[in-house]
Amino acid sequence: AQSVTQLDSQVPVFEEAPVELRCNYSSSVSVYLFWYVQYPNQGLQLLLKYLSGSTLVESINGFEAEFNKSQTSFHLRKPSVHISDTAEYFCAVSENQGAQKLVFGQGTRLTINP
Amino acid sequence: DVKVTQSSRYLVKRTGEKVFLECVQDMDHENMFWYRQDPGLGLRLIYFSYDVKMKEKGDIPEGYSVSREKKERFSLILESASTNQTSMYLCAIQDRVSGGYTFGSGTRLTVV
Repeated sequence: AQSVTQLDSQVPVFEEAPVELRCNYSSSVSVYLFWYVQYPNQGLQLLLKYLSGSTLVESINGFEAEFNKSQTSFHLRKPSVHISDTAEYFCAVSENQGAQKLVFGQGTRLTINP
Repeated sequence: DVKVTQSSRYLVKRTGEKVFLECVQDMDHENMFWYRQDPGLGLRLIYFSYDVKMKEKGDIPEGYSVSREKKERFSLILESASTNQTSMYLCAIQDRVSGGYTFGSGTRLTVV
């Protein structure tokens, strides 16, 4: 069975600083990987996804994540954060065959300080 | 864009009540899911369904059941609500190609 570990439950950073949110997964088969974002008092939205091809994927608001198969990681990064990036971020994995249901990590709360 | 609608944003129920949480999609997606979200625990899968009248248990099905009589509607049922079922409940549908989810806005249920 798959599992996802988000190593940091909370990450405080200053505005315009870089940030990395860590995600490690375990699975015995090939996977699809996702990052979802939940802004305060809102539902979850897809931020970016890795299905195949280039291991570096990007979102429209400046986030990127790199699939590292050897380290079973899919860390999320942004070179310069904005106050509006304050949210909870969830990493998720699914097997790319069979049921394909998503397994989520515990979430990382990103707080941006001015 | 696909739309996933959860009927109630906030709900307060008494212990022992039977509770129905409704989820409706406006597309023809087969796969639908119910999760609960709790601080520090992330999202945990309660039940999912691959088609009408089909259902599969997720990781934490105890105390819950589901119903899928029509393709667009997937209902979560708390047979006898308890205080430990106070949580945020999220419904999701799954894209056939990418496998990614579209979520509803959630129902925050409080059992008193």
